[in-house]
Amino acid sequence: DTGVSQDPRHKITKRGQNVTFRCDPISEHNRLYWYRQTLGQGPEFLTYFQNEAQLEKSRLLSDRFSAERPKGSFSTLEIQRTEQGDSAMYLCASSRGLGVMPQHFGDGTRLSIL
Amino acid sequence: GESVGLHLPTLSVQEGDNSIINCAYSNSASDYFIWYKQESGKGPQFIIDIRSNMDKRQGQRVTVLLNKTVKHLSLQIAATQPGDSAVYFCAEDSTTSGSRLTFGEGTQLTVNP
Repeated sequence: DTGVSQDPRHKITKRGQNVTFRCDPISEHNRLYWYRQTLGQGPEFLTYFQNEAQLEKSRLLSDRFSAERPKGSFSTLEIQRTEQGDSAMYLCASSRGLGVMPQHFGDGTRLSIL
Repeated sequence: GESVGLHLPTLSVQEGDNSIINCAYSNSASDYFIWYKQESGKGPQFIIDIRSNMDKRQGQRVTVLLNKTVKHLSLQIAATQPGDSAVYFCAEDSTTSGSRLTFGEGTQLTVNP
């Protein structure tokens, strides 16, 4: 399977704990994106990387959230001191090249905060 | 704010019929549009895209129409099958937005056998 891979698929944690998600993009894609999706809504943009550089962050990405893509390949999204409102599906997407191109999504990590 | 939205939250059709899913957008700077299909528990799956220099694009059983005058986008699915049942999202992007997709709320398509 050469699609976008996300791990874990599900994460259940207690409020206040830290969580980290991983995304492996399609191998030749140099752009990587994180989105958040709540039930019944479309995905909302969080941040994106061009290679290892984080080029844009949404105001949805509070200071408890941090994303990295250290070698321009896989990426991690960490949420510190989780809150009930963080419960959502976290989606990763990747695309190739420069300019607007199709973004291909993984199947997400579903986060549930107890 | 500028957003992409869908006219109908649900659409129910009979197997074999053609389906039309509509989308309105308000950002006149948008120059790239994508339709995604999302099944329960999965991520959005790319269906078809269209750039603003086109008004129609066809794929396998799907056609996307773009009317820039009224900022309207539609997805037509021919000979709808039960496997087409899913939530469909339109999304827009522009060269000035930094490649962030803006999604609408989605339309639930149900195909009855």
